[in-house]
Amino acid sequence: GQNIDQPTEMTATEGAIVQINCTYQTSGFNGLFWYQQHAGEAPTFLSYNVLDGLEEKGRFSSFLSRSKGYSYLLLKELQMKDSASYLCAVMDSNYQLIWGAGTKLIIKP
Amino acid sequence: GAVVSQHPSRVICKSGTSVKIECRSLDFQATTMFWYRQFPKQSLMLMATSNEGSKATYEQGVEKDKFLINHASLTLSTLTVTSAHPEDSSFYICSARGTSGGPGETQYFGPGTRLLVL
Repeated sequence: GQNIDQPTEMTATEGAIVQINCTYQTSGFNGLFWYQQHAGEAPTFLSYNVLDGLEEKGRFSSFLSRSKGYSYLLLKELQMKDSASYLCAVMDSNYQLIWGAGTKLIIKP
Repeated sequence: GAVVSQHPSRVICKSGTSVKIECRSLDFQATTMFWYRQFPKQSLMLMATSNEGSKATYEQGVEKDKFLINHASLTLSTLTVTSAHPEDSSFYICSARGTSGGPGETQYFGPGTRLLVL
């Protein structure tokens, strides 16, 4: 079966750095997406990785290792507004997105 | 980024009535649109995938006669919840994918519609 695993919840301090991990097992791979979802709102696109390595976009970076079936989202200089759920999703061989359950990130002052 | 709108944002209805939700891609043509449902504190659940001009593909366990999907154009898809019941109360979110449809084609989400059935 297809499976995406990410931690249920994480807590971090304002100004610090946090890494949210995602491991996956899917039928085929056409890229991995990270989305941010604030409570009561729809997800917004953060990043897309299809090749191994690190993609940096401002305070957010996303890393992929296809051989390990592993990705992480790195958030630097955390702000209170970063409190949200972070969803990992993998596009399988049929170009369908397989979603993880999301990681709820709590930022404390 | 691409913009997807959804209307209405919130609806309250009586049990047994039907509710229509519209999803529009505002600045791009969406070959494929997706309808998701999300219950409180749970992950997104894909309900169906619709391609312009063809019948929607429903996920297992989703009643196609209850959740009617129409994707009549490259910018509009509608979801109609027929004979809604309280257990249908949820957050319904659409997303749209552009015309290339290949690897890396990002799904952009609408803002969601919160449905409450009394």
